Amino acid sequence: QKEVEQNSGPLSVPEGAIASLNCTYSDRGSQSFFWYRQYSGKSPELIMSIYSNGDKEDGRFTAQLNKASQYVSLLIRDSQPSDSATYLCAGKGGTSYGKLTFGQGTILTVHP
Amino acid sequence: GAVVSQHPSWVICKSGTSVKIECRSLDFQATTMFWYRQFPKQSLMLMATSNEGSKATYEQGVEKDKFLINHASLTLSTLTVTSAHPEDSSFYICSARAIDTDTQYFGPGTRLTVL
Repeated sequence: QKEVEQNSGPLSVPEGAIASLNCTYSDRGSQSFFWYRQYSGKSPELIMSIYSNGDKEDGRFTAQLNKASQYVSLLIRDSQPSDSATYLCAGKGGTSYGKLTFGQGTILTVHP
Repeated sequence: GAVVSQHPSWVICKSGTSVKIECRSLDFQATTMFWYRQFPKQSLMLMATSNEGSKATYEQGVEKDKFLINHASLTLSTLTVTSAHPEDSSFYICSARAIDTDTQYFGPGTRLTVL
């Protein structure tokens, strides 16, 4: 079982819709979680970090963390074609010197 | 804030030569820097973790004598690919973690092509 697993893609949504990206993790010691966006040929850029159970909102993005279910999600409201990218979920384990474990990524396409 | 730069952004070299890639945190001090490699259509693969002033920790399967990492200061880490071969052609990305935070900020990456 992979340590961080993302819902299989690719995911395609129409412009203006809500895109829902999901991630589960196996290390119960994980304390911090991150969502990165990666455009083709570019490096990842940080979208959100979340450390506590519940929701965290930043503009059109909402991250949700449920430690009991070992589940992290990212909602993108009012999706735009410019949101089309690969989204990476990452978790920091409890004993890993800051090392992040990445999921395999979910490709999101927002079509006009 | 939290800007990480890499140099060069792309490099083409002949087989057998060595290539050095620099990673700098421009507006914060990074106690830890990470080096990743990414092949086309694949996810990030962590190569090594480097802490300022100490030896790097390499992931399983990564040859430490081939990929030399130096983290000489709180703002600079370098990765040297020694005796590069075509199979080393890849997208190399560094990230930096600031003091007292878990967040990693990524550099723009270096595309290496070995002929």
